[in-house]
Amino acid sequence: DGGITQSPKYLFRKEGQNVTLSCEQNLNHDAMYWYRQDPGQGLRLIYYSQIVNDFQKGDIAEGYSVSREKKESFPLTVTSAQKNPTAFYLCASSNDDRAYSPLHFGNGTRLTVT
Amino acid sequence: KNQVEQSPQSLIILEGKNCTLQCNYTVSPFSNLRWYKQDTGRGPVSLTIMTFSENTKSNGRYTATLDADTKQSSLHITASQLSDSASYICVVSGGATNKLIFGTGTLLAVQP
Repeated sequence: DGGITQSPKYLFRKEGQNVTLSCEQNLNHDAMYWYRQDPGQGLRLIYYSQIVNDFQKGDIAEGYSVSREKKESFPLTVTSAQKNPTAFYLCASSNDDRAYSPLHFGNGTRLTVT
Repeated sequence: KNQVEQSPQSLIILEGKNCTLQCNYTVSPFSNLRWYKQDTGRGPVSLTIMTFSENTKSNGRYTATLDADTKQSSLHITASQLSDSASYICVVSGGATNKLIFGTGTLLAVQP
């Protein structure tokens, strides 16, 4: 079955530590995205990549970094510079520009930083 | 400001009943509108995607309507099932940079 796999499902870290969230897709989609979901707020775009070895900042990129070395993989690193990292993180992919194509989401990683 | 507002925030209905969720937007220019279903602790799943010229679109027991003149959309769920309990998110694509603007969702609980 094609889909997006995010791991781990739950992640706990101490403040000041960097942490990397994994996202892998086997849908052969060119575009991949990272969103953050907080209670009472709409999803917010962190980073996106439309092609291998290229990515752009979204609306809330500060304190985050990404890489896109393979078409299938788009890991997100939450650095110690992110002021409020505790959130639900969603990875998504699309066949074309997200403005016109439906997004396919993974099942998220819930990050808790104490 | 480009915004997407959903109502109600939450809703409780009995199994078998119908319900309608609302989405109002101020996004301009408009490209398309989507509805997603998000089960607790999981990622959203696409239900429908509608362009300017589409007034209604169905996906099983889910029917979405769009009035681009009044900038309103609704999602009607027929003969609700327990598995319909989820958050329903309205997303509008558009604006000067053609980005996706997410609503905060309506949390639906279907009770037996």
